Amino acid sequence: DADVTQTPRNRITKTGKRIMLECSQTKGHDRMYWYRQDPGLGLRLIYYSFDVKDINKGEISDGYSVSRQAQAKFSLSLESAIPNQTALYFCATSENGGKTYEQYFGPGTRLTVT
Amino acid sequence: GNSVTQMEGPVTLSEEAFLTINCTYTATGYPSLFWYVQYPGEGLQLLLKATKADDKGSNKGFEATYRKETTSFHLEKGSVQVSDSAVYFCALGSGNTGKLIFGQGTTLQVKP
Repeated sequence: DADVTQTPRNRITKTGKRIMLECSQTKGHDRMYWYRQDPGLGLRLIYYSFDVKDINKGEISDGYSVSRQAQAKFSLSLESAIPNQTALYFCATSENGGKTYEQYFGPGTRLTVT
Repeated sequence: GNSVTQMEGPVTLSEEAFLTINCTYTATGYPSLFWYVQYPGEGLQLLLKATKADDKGSNKGFEATYRKETTSFHLEKGSVQVSDSAVYFCALGSGNTGKLIFGQGTTLQVKP
């Protein structure tokens, strides 16, 4: 089984709808991240969490919210989806510690907002 | 602030050709540097990394050397295969936040 899983893998929704993307991990890592990927822009950080009680905004958090339900689960919500939130969304995890460790990515969720 | 710049793609090569994908960075302090690869329909996978100046990361025939004097971390492979077709991301990590800053990605297409 994959270490980092994301659901759903694909989602089409309409403008104004609320949608939640879910991420689960079995790596035992404390740190979790949400990114979005857009062509030509690479990956941009939306939110990150160092543990259940420590959640931080990334560079593009407007229009998004997150919930860290447990060490293993980190959900991303779009309260009122808009078309420019159409993108590929990735969840990632990494070890905790005093330096930057490599991150482990889920397979991604392709979200289309019509 | 910290940033990463990669050469624009797509890069199209014939099988067994030599590959270079340029990556330069701007950062304070002593960042760690990474190359990630994204195969079609999949998430990103760590390809290689280097954590200090002059370190060489290597994996699956790919190499990159951390050059502090030129603030670069170029990815190279001596002989590419069709199976290397993917998007390659250079990334930088600095400090104790664990955050990575990614370049825009370079698409590599290898033709038989």
